[in-house]
Amino acid sequence: SQKIEQNSEALNIQEGKTATLTCNYTNYSPAYLQWYRQDPGRGPVFLLLIRENEKEKRKERLKVTFDTTLKQSLFHITASQPADSATYLCALSSFSGNTGKLIFGQGTTLQVKP
Amino acid sequence: EAGVAQSPRYKIIEKRQSVAFWCNPISGHATLYWYQQILGQGPKLLIQFQNNGVVDDSQLPKDRFSAERLKGVDSTLKIQPAKLEDSAVYLCASSLSLRGYSYNEQFFGPGTRLTVL
Repeated sequence: SQKIEQNSEALNIQEGKTATLTCNYTNYSPAYLQWYRQDPGRGPVFLLLIRENEKEKRKERLKVTFDTTLKQSLFHITASQPADSATYLCALSSFSGNTGKLIFGQGTTLQVKP
Repeated sequence: EAGVAQSPRYKIIEKRQSVAFWCNPISGHATLYWYQQILGQGPKLLIQFQNNGVVDDSQLPKDRFSAERLKGVDSTLKIQPAKLEDSAVYLCASSLSLRGYSYNEQFFGPGTRLTVL
């Protein structure tokens, strides 16, 4: 069955360092991948989308890579700040079935210490 | 622009009772989604509407869950009767995806936290 795995353990880093979060998937051929941020008590907020034919996407301090051979996406936050502390969710979708349904990973909690 | 609105924010019920959640998507968004998010897990899609038609309800427990989107705007999700394992946050999201494809970003509401005792 389709499976998406993100680091289940929280990631603790020092302010100013680069945070790297991993999203691995199996038994799936996604057409695109999205990353969302979720703060406690709130709904997820869209950050970035990357398509299967794109290797890398950047937005300000954020960078996402997508390796369909390794079946992996990496999400980087450079010059991290305490305000970046949140849970980060990856979500994959294919075009099969005409719905493009998003399947979410379980999320990785990032804690940036000042 | 106003975001996705949901109500209530919190609900506590006894098992076997019924409950309903309401969602008003962003104006002009054709696609509406209901997700269930259990503590420590990612959101799981329950049902997806394109305008007022159902696009995907493959993971909706249809013996107890129902949803409708009248007039292609706001939507309600109902659980009847509720079970203990229904305790979760119910998230509503909307997107512009005009043809039902989800490659547009989704905008989420704050969610309704349901506790079933």
